[in-house]
Amino acid sequence: EVQLVQSGAEVKKPGESLKISCKGSGYSFTSYWIGWVRQMPGKGLEWMGIIYPGDSDTRYSPSFQGQVTISADKSISTAYLQWSSLKASDTAMYYCARQIAVAGPGGSYYFDYWGQGTLVTVSS
Amino acid sequence: QSVLTQPPSVSAAPGQKVTISCSGSSSNIGNNYVSWYQQLPGTAPKLLIYDNNKRPSGIPDRFSGSKSGTSATLGITGLQTGDEADYYCGTWDSSLSIVVFGGGTKLTVL
Repeated sequence: EVQLVQSGAEVKKPGESLKISCKGSGYSFTSYWIGWVRQMPGKGLEWMGIIYPGDSDTRYSPSFQGQVTISADKSISTAYLQWSSLKASDTAMYYCARQIAVAGPGGSYYFDYWGQGTLVTVSS
Repeated sequence: QSVLTQPPSVSAAPGQKVTISCSGSSSNIGNNYVSWYQQLPGTAPKLLIYDNNKRPSGIPDRFSGSKSGTSATLGITGLQTGDEADYYCGTWDSSLSIVVFGGGTKLTVL
């Protein structure tokens, strides 16, 4: 059974750093992209970026480039999302998800398995 | 402002049918496959439809998807109270080089 299990909720102060995790199991972790999706309170889904754990190829949405860092440790089948200096506007639920990505004309990009989400609250 | 446009809400009675639209452009829906997700209250999104009209294993055939030009539609028949959720469409945007989602549609089963 494919599973993505995320780390627990975090409460941080503005300016602090944070790294949340997403552990995959039940499939070949190095053979699928892992994406991160933000959902701010009461809002919709936003694609942040993806990583291919097999070779650590990473792509970012321009909206999040420079704001977060996506990484992975394939030896423990875990992907990460980190911030060096949190802002109150980073308060949101963050989901990791396995992304299927078939490029080219008529590209197919979708998330077939999702983690349970990690709630990040940034408040002074 | 989402790249893909969905109605904020739809409603229908139990047992009825409802459709949810998702409108985009040639750089996204027009040239890439569309997926649909169901987000029940307080839970993570779940894949309902991929590649415009394919259902993952375990998704009942009450859920269907279609695409025409730069728009896509999710259909749900035999509505149940358990279908009350937010529904999102998603696809790749070839110009932006990102995955884009619609703003979400809240389904109420009256």
